[in-house]
Amino acid sequence: EAGVAQSPRYKIIEKRQSVAFWCNPISGHATLYWYQQILGQGPKLLIQFQNNGVVDDSQLPKDRFSAERLKGVDSTLKIQPAKLEDSAVYLCASLRWRGRKQYFGPGTRLTVT
Amino acid sequence: GQNIDQPTEMTATEGAIVQINCTYQTSGFNGLFWYQQHAGEAPTFLSYNVLDGLEEKGRFSSFLSRSKGYSYLLLKELQMKDSASYLCAVRDGTPGNTPLVFGKGTRLSVIA
Repeated sequence: EAGVAQSPRYKIIEKRQSVAFWCNPISGHATLYWYQQILGQGPKLLIQFQNNGVVDDSQLPKDRFSAERLKGVDSTLKIQPAKLEDSAVYLCASLRWRGRKQYFGPGTRLTVT
Repeated sequence: GQNIDQPTEMTATEGAIVQINCTYQTSGFNGLFWYQQHAGEAPTFLSYNVLDGLEEKGRFSSFLSRSKGYSYLLLKELQMKDSASYLCAVRDGTPGNTPLVFGKGTRLSVIA
């Protein structure tokens, strides 16, 4: 069984630029999460999808962050414009319906200079 | 609000036993998870507790007391490869409908 795929693995941009991350969850997993993990901290939820609908985006900074999962499979997370404090690892995770454990992708390490 | 506390750093000797504690205060409770995260890698699932008591899986055990809002992860026969961050996370709602709330992680260093 293939795991959660993410790309790119690394990205360096200047502040005020835009960036997009892609995630392909495990096949058949209905729930998809995007987390932000700042160095030295635990992951913090940004947004949760159930199929192609948003379940929870209460912690997503909507003035600059957006995410979509149009066909209920893969997802993109965008930041526009980026700030220095957005430097972090962006983790995607997926979960089968009523499953127990979340499976994480390798993450995208973003550095904003 | 949600609050999950765990020690920032711990050091232990190869072959020894170490216990990593986690206390939580969440609006609801539907399971506590421990994840291992090596530097630069994704978190990987270690254990899950939803009822009080001890769950054992090889060298790793996890304990939960819901009344005390407390859990610990016990690592036995420590190996150098166990050097990693250990994340405590709580799910406060129904499966498939709520995310995990993570603590900041405990960075464990195993020394010879």
